Amino acid sequence: GESVGLHLPTLSVQEGDNSIINCAYSNSASDYFIWYKQESGKGPQFIIDIRSNMDKRQGQRVTVLLNKTVKHLSLQIAATQPGDSAVYFCAENMERGSYIPTFGRGTSLIVHP
Amino acid sequence: DTAVSQTPKYLVTQMGNDKSIKCEQNLGHDTMYWYKQDSKKFLKIMFSYNNKELIINETVPNRFSPKSPDKAHLNLHINSLELGDSAVYFCASSLRLGEGAFFGQGTRLTVV
Repeated sequence: GESVGLHLPTLSVQEGDNSIINCAYSNSASDYFIWYKQESGKGPQFIIDIRSNMDKRQGQRVTVLLNKTVKHLSLQIAATQPGDSAVYFCAENMERGSYIPTFGRGTSLIVHP
Repeated sequence: DTAVSQTPKYLVTQMGNDKSIKCEQNLGHDTMYWYKQDSKKFLKIMFSYNNKELIINETVPNRFSPKSPDKAHLNLHINSLELGDSAVYFCASSLRLGEGAFFGQGTRLTVV
């Protein structure tokens, strides 16, 4: 079946560096994508979303890039801070039709002070 | 005020029992969900409930059933609990179906 996956299960960075978390998706019909952050012992928290009519979207210290040609999504975090340490998930949706959102495996981001 | 709250936070029970997890959202959202997160952090949607329309993930056993007394509540009932049901269950809501969701803190269910 089609699925969403992540290239790296764990990413370690130094405080102040930029982080890039990648996500591959295989459902070409997906047209809406979301990044979530999950801290230990908490529920996932919405970070940023992007629709398929866009290639890039920026938030506060975060940027999401979408490459529909290769079905690839990335989350860039600028000037990574210890508080960014968490598991990051990408999720794909289809805005029309039966809605069953699919989450990727998750990447654990570890920020070293 | 907690946007999405679920109770209990921890639930330990024996195999074969029936249990419920409650969820309430005070955001005025139209859509609520239940997710299951396993020990490897994999998140899988179980149900979406929007305007009295229930969308079921076909892989969910029929021992699991959502109950929505009103738009702000979506409870999860589980019958005949099995060891494999042990996981963290998250309730979530979104303004409209398909949009980014707000999640509760989770209920850690342990079946012994």
